[in-house]
Amino acid sequence: AQTVTQSQPEMSVQEAETVTLSCTYDTSESDYYLFWYKQPPSRQMILVIRQEAYKQQNATENRFSVNFQKAAKSFSLKISDSQLGDAAMYFCAYRGGFGNEKLTFGTGTRLTIIP
Amino acid sequence: KAGVTQTPRYLIKTRGQQVTLSCSPISGHRSVSWYQQTPGQGLQFLFEYFSETQRNKGNFPGRFSGRQFSNSRSEMNVSTLELGDSALYLCASSRLELEQETQYFGPGTRLLVL
Repeated sequence: AQTVTQSQPEMSVQEAETVTLSCTYDTSESDYYLFWYKQPPSRQMILVIRQEAYKQQNATENRFSVNFQKAAKSFSLKISDSQLGDAAMYFCAYRGGFGNEKLTFGTGTRLTIIP
Repeated sequence: KAGVTQTPRYLIKTRGQQVTLSCSPISGHRSVSWYQQTPGQGLQFLFEYFSETQRNKGNFPGRFSGRQFSNSRSEMNVSTLELGDSALYLCASSRLELEQETQYFGPGTRLLVL
């Protein structure tokens, strides 16, 4: 079974600074997808960024980027120029190959932005 | 395009009752998945439906069931409610096409069992 581990229950960062959230996963599959979702106090789960395992290039979405290390099974999220609106729980999630819609989530990292 | 909608947003039930939650996916999305979120267990996969068929099921007791209609709307039902069923229930939909596999979540239904 696949597992996702987020070893940082809480992180904090000064506004405008950069922060990196860690995620490791375990799988025997070769085809899979990885996601970062954020969940603000409203509890709405919002997609931040996704990465296909077959793509070597790290995904980037504006201020958000990932460092995908397939051999190490590591998938960290870097948030640049942190903003107050980035404060939320961040969940790393794993999904198997095409057609397998089950998401396996990590336990989450609570990110606090310090003004 | 409207997002995933879930009704009701909040529910209070008592032990032993049953409850039905509804989820309407994004237009054009054919797959609907359900998740339970609790402080103790985190986010756990319940089941996934595609074309009115359950394709995947998580490790939950038979009291948890669901279905999907021809318009892709989905319902989940929990019978004989227990205190431990208090949770946020999230629904997610996806297009189920290559390069479109991302799941988009609804706002959730918060269930409190007394």
